[in-house]
Amino acid sequence: NAGVTQTPKFQVLKTGQSMTLQCAQDMNHNSMYWYRQDPGMGLRLIYYSASEGTTDKGEVPNGYNVSRLNKREFSLRLESAAPSQTSVYFCASNSGQGRGYTFGSGTRLTVV
Amino acid sequence: GENVEQHPSTLSVQEGDSAVIKCTYSDSASNYFPWYKQELGKRPQLIIDIRSNVGEKKDQRIAVTLNKTAKHFSLHITETQPEDSAVYFCAASAGGFKTIFGAGTRLFVKA
Repeated sequence: NAGVTQTPKFQVLKTGQSMTLQCAQDMNHNSMYWYRQDPGMGLRLIYYSASEGTTDKGEVPNGYNVSRLNKREFSLRLESAAPSQTSVYFCASNSGQGRGYTFGSGTRLTVV
Repeated sequence: GENVEQHPSTLSVQEGDSAVIKCTYSDSASNYFPWYKQELGKRPQLIIDIRSNVGEKKDQRIAVTLNKTAKHFSLHITETQPEDSAVYFCAASAGGFKTIFGAGTRLFVKA
């Protein structure tokens, strides 16, 4: 039972490049989330998917897009990376509202 | 908008002492309050949570208390051990899919 799996673990991008972060969960959870973690700012929600087929914006959606490919997979895309998007990105899932998260191991992204 | 404030940002205690981390939330509709522990370079992990219909919850050496009137909730760790050293995050959810996190408390337990 792998839980939540994220790839890649590390990535360096040049300003303006694009990339997709992949996330998959094997816990049959309905809801999936993308957070970014910056020093001194906790975790901030980028986008979430309450259930398969739906996606919604979180606190900091600008510069990102998401796709809920199926119940297991939820990807995050940066179309034109900017240095302000340098961060650690965590994918998470849960069984629904008012439930704790299971987090992936994170992706450390640096944009130069 | 919704906000969760967490204090202190850094906490250093001697092994065996207690540690207390406090959070306040702004959204009075918040009804679910999880706490996460994040060790260096690792993912956050849920360690305990409390719902608004409960005032206190304990799990071995950790406990959470909630004061809905004051919109405060706290994490208490007793008999601290070196392996308790980590960053702890409080969070609040108002029943939807958006959970707001505090900025984190870095706990050092000195042996």
